[in-house]
Amino acid sequence: GAVVSQHPSRVICKSGTSVKIECRSLDFQATTMFWYRQFPKQSLMLMATSNEGSKATYEQGVEKDKFLINHASLTLSTLTVTSAHPEDSSFYICSARGPTDYEQYFGPGTRLTVT
Amino acid sequence: GQNIDQPTEMTATEGAIVQINCTYQTSGFNGLFWYQQHAGEAPTFLSYNVLDGLEEKGRFSSFLSRSKGYSYLLLKELQMKDSASYLCAVMDSNYQLIWGAGTKLIIKP
Repeated sequence: GAVVSQHPSRVICKSGTSVKIECRSLDFQATTMFWYRQFPKQSLMLMATSNEGSKATYEQGVEKDKFLINHASLTLSTLTVTSAHPEDSSFYICSARGPTDYEQYFGPGTRLTVT
Repeated sequence: GQNIDQPTEMTATEGAIVQINCTYQTSGFNGLFWYQQHAGEAPTFLSYNVLDGLEEKGRFSSFLSRSKGYSYLLLKELQMKDSASYLCAVMDSNYQLIWGAGTKLIIKP
């Protein structure tokens, strides 16, 4: 149980285009989802926290107009990187937490490369 | 401020035992997690401690002392596949995870 999927696993896009990453909880209802970014050899950096049906809460320094997060249902959250630039190239990981869980269940991650 | 400290890198020998320490200072405490992360992959859950003491799970054990703001992850009978980064994370009073920078564990034959 407690499986989280992400799609796509890898994406290469050209500078200036937008990319959407999906995060799904497959066998539980995720009241809260988290989006992380991880640069090589660095730890996870929380970008934003989203609760189903409400606006995401962004961490300091994360541009909410650039990283659009939609948590439209209890099983799906999406992260859209708008007008992507090479510096946005990173490993993006989502995690999900159920209403009674403390543990965060991680998706497999999405490796974004912007050329 | 909130702070999680753990060593950057450790090296150990296959078959041996290694202890990875984590100290923390957070606003509130709702448990401490250890995750394993292999290069290029997402973290996977190893353990959760919310009460003082030792939790044993196979070759891995995790210890917590809330009064000292201290935890350790103990790995026994090391295998080459244990080479990974080990992340310590504390859940604060807002139920947000505060992450350490991770400890890269290198296992040598």
